[in-house]
Amino acid sequence: AQSVAQPEDQVNVAEGNPLTVKCTYSVSGNPYLFWYVQYPNRGLQFLLKYITGDNLVKGSYGFEAEFNKSQTSFHLKKPSALVSDSALYFCAVRDSYGGDRDDKIIFGKGTRLHILP
Amino acid sequence: DTEVTQTPKHLVMGMTNKKSLKCEQHMGHRAMYWYKQKAKKPPELMFVYSYEKLSINESVPSRFSPECPNSSLLNLHLHALQPEDSALYLCASSQDRGLPGDQETQYFGPGTRLLVL
Repeated sequence: AQSVAQPEDQVNVAEGNPLTVKCTYSVSGNPYLFWYVQYPNRGLQFLLKYITGDNLVKGSYGFEAEFNKSQTSFHLKKPSALVSDSALYFCAVRDSYGGDRDDKIIFGKGTRLHILP
Repeated sequence: DTEVTQTPKHLVMGMTNKKSLKCEQHMGHRAMYWYKQKAKKPPELMFVYSYEKLSINESVPSRFSPECPNSSLLNLHLHALQPEDSALYLCASSQDRGLPGDQETQYFGPGTRLLVL
């Protein structure tokens, strides 16, 4: 079965510093990988995805993620953190049944990012 | 318009009540989803509708009954719920099997926070 792991429950970063939120995956076949963000009392927002092509994927709000096949990782990064980046971040992977059945997303457990002023 | 709307924002109901959650999108998406999210946990998929037909039911108890009246609307009918059903219920939509990754690039509503007494 497909899965993603987010090893950190919480990450604290000072404003202006670079941030990394870690994600590793376990899939059979080619991975489709995603990052979503959830601000307090809100639904999830799509940030970025890796399907194929360049290993460095750029997304919304200045975020990017690096796909590393040898390390089976898809870490989320931002060069300079903002206090407004404080939120819950979910890494996700496609779970494909194949054929005519619809795919679904498998979410990691989430990492809470705190940006300290 | 990239918005998914959900009503109501909050709902308190007794275990004998019948209520409905509503979701609407006008992005022309043909796939719509219901998720359940407990505090500090990832969303759990409940149902998927594809072209107004139920595509995936993740073994959800029958006290939850989804309905898709048309391509823009998705309802979740609630009856005889239990206190453990209290959660944030999220609706999402996506393209249905367009380009790779389209189905997993989902747009979420803000959710309905449900409390069952």
